[in-house]
Amino acid sequence: GDSVTQMEGPVTLSEEAFLTINCTYTATGYPSLFWYVQYPGEGLQLLLKATKADDKGSNKGFEATYRKETTSFHLEKGSVQVSDSAVYFCALSVSNFNKFYFGSGTKLNVKP
Amino acid sequence: DGGITQSPKYLFRKEGQNVTLSCEQNLNHDAMYWYRQDPGQGLRLIYYSQIVNDFQKGDIAEGYSVSREKKESFPLTVTSAQKNPTAFYLCASRERDSSGLEQFFGPGTRLTVL
Repeated sequence: GDSVTQMEGPVTLSEEAFLTINCTYTATGYPSLFWYVQYPGEGLQLLLKATKADDKGSNKGFEATYRKETTSFHLEKGSVQVSDSAVYFCALSVSNFNKFYFGSGTKLNVKP
Repeated sequence: DGGITQSPKYLFRKEGQNVTLSCEQNLNHDAMYWYRQDPGQGLRLIYYSQIVNDFQKGDIAEGYSVSREKKESFPLTVTSAQKNPTAFYLCASRERDSSGLEQFFGPGTRLTVL
């Protein structure tokens, strides 16, 4: 079945460090891939997305590239800030279906 | 501004009581969803609806019920049959039949059973 696996957290980094959060997926069709961010006590916000292979999604300095050959969609940021501290969720949606599949979330702590 | 509203933000319930969580959207989306999130956990799908007057069970529907009488509203009832209802509940919506479009989330309702 369709599923998403992302690296377990928490991930703790110093400000200005490089961030990678790994995400791999299994899908029967041609999925679209998403990264969401959740701040404490709030709902999820879309961070970026990619709808086909080799697409790169980007927003607020975050990037992720849809790699079909490795079934991956890793999230990266070159220089994290304290304000990036949050939980990050990788998700997929398969064409012609209306269900989303979410990873378990990765908590990021950025220290000043 | 278009968006999704959930009310109340915090809800307390005594054991054995049913409680209804509200979800309203003005995005004109056909599909709506309810998720449950436990501390430090991911999202688990409770119910979803692709169109008015139609809904499907998700992965953890036992002890929950929903209705979809209007396009903009998708209330969730947590019944006394739900053994461990204390959790954070998230409502979401999206355009139907397009995998490239994201889900939009409400701010969530935190339910605590006393």
